[in-house]
Amino acid sequence: QSALTQPRSVSGSPGQSVTISCTGTSSDVGASNYVSWYQQHPGKAPKLMLYDVSDRPSGVPDRFSGSKSGNTASLTISGLQADDEADYYCCSFAGTWVVFGGGTKLTVL
Amino acid sequence: QVQLVQSGSELKEPGASVKVSCKASGYNFKSYAMNWVRQAPGQRLEWMGWIDTNTGNPTNAQGFTGRFVFSLDTSVSTAYLQISTLKVEDTAVYYCVRARVREFDQWGQGTLVTVSS
Repeated sequence: QSALTQPRSVSGSPGQSVTISCTGTSSDVGASNYVSWYQQHPGKAPKLMLYDVSDRPSGVPDRFSGSKSGNTASLTISGLQADDEADYYCCSFAGTWVVFGGGTKLTVL
Repeated sequence: QVQLVQSGSELKEPGASVKVSCKASGYNFKSYAMNWVRQAPGQRLEWMGWIDTNTGNPTNAQGFTGRFVFSLDTSVSTAYLQISTLKVEDTAVYYCVRARVREFDQWGQGTLVTVSS
């Protein structure tokens, strides 16, 4: 399975909002609502930020939100903070396989 | 609290084998599937496959068959990843990851495997 397509990088200033897209196909993103997002700071393990497209695990602030339309899922981070600067990966569970996106580097200016 | 603690970094020569361990604590080990994810230096996350912690049945993703073996020792709540006939391109951080339903909710700290002559 090919990786899901994400922009290589996005940026925003503190307090602003940014949206990261994740485009797959009708066989993965478009086939289920099992899309999740992970935040990875340099040298650290990824952390689950959203699951089932838009659900937040306990402890994740509501500044992080998700949506999906067709074969594209999106992660929106509002009220950007310095600590949001990290790599973000989308992930789709489709049938019996799992595919990650290529990753997006978020820079907080 | 829930923890996945992996074994330490490894330096291996091409052709050797390596076995990475992942010890789980803070939850019922058999209640969650265990997955493995690879991240080569500067690269994206790649799903390697998973093992059913109840049956021990492994499922390998495309590109991770043959040399990559998942196993368990449920008596000590530990999952293992063994890679044989190591290649330079196997150099990566390997993560064990708990799957809650259809998301990866707990990650090990990662094990760096370096393959170099």
